Amino acid sequence: AQTVTQSQPEMSVQEAETVTLSCTYDTSENNYYLFWYKQPPSRQMILVIRQEAYKQQNATENRFSVNFQKAAKSFSLKISDSQLGDTAMYFCAFYEANSKLTFGKGITLSVRP
Amino acid sequence: KAGVTQTPRYLIKTRGQQVTLSCSPISGHRSVSWYQQTPGQGLQFLFEYFSETQRNKGNFPGRFSGRQFSNSRSEMNVSTLELGDSALYLCASTGTSTDTQYFGPGTRLTVL
Repeated sequence: AQTVTQSQPEMSVQEAETVTLSCTYDTSENNYYLFWYKQPPSRQMILVIRQEAYKQQNATENRFSVNFQKAAKSFSLKISDSQLGDTAMYFCAFYEANSKLTFGKGITLSVRP
Repeated sequence: KAGVTQTPRYLIKTRGQQVTLSCSPISGHRSVSWYQQTPGQGLQFLFEYFSETQRNKGNFPGRFSGRQFSNSRSEMNVSTLELGDSALYLCASTGTSTDTQYFGPGTRLTVL
């Protein structure tokens, strides 16, 4: 079974600075997808970024980028120029086609003004 | 395009009752998945429906059931509610040619 581990329960960053959230996963599959979702206090789960395992190029979405290390089974999220609105819980998730999303326990990120 | 909608947003029930939650996916999406989120267990997969058929099922007791209609709208039902069923229930929809799940705002269920 696939597992996703987010070992840091919470982090704090100063506004405008850069922060990296860590995630590791375990799978025996070769084709899969990885996601970061954000859940602000409103509890709406919002997609942040998506990575296809067969693509070597790291995904980027504006201020958000990932460092995908397939051999190490590591998938970290970098948030540049942190904004107050980035304050939320962030979940790393693994997906295999026609299956389910497996989530990590999440990390609470606080952006300080 | 309208996003995933879930009704009701909040629900309070007592032990032993049953409850039905509804989810309307993004237009054109045929797959609907349900997740339970609690502080202790985190996010856990309940089940997934595709074209009115249950395609995947998580490790939950038979009190949890679901269905999907021909318009892709989905319902989940929990019978004989227990205190431990108090949770945020999230629904997500996926398009046919994509692997990305888009979530609704959730239904907060409180069992007293």
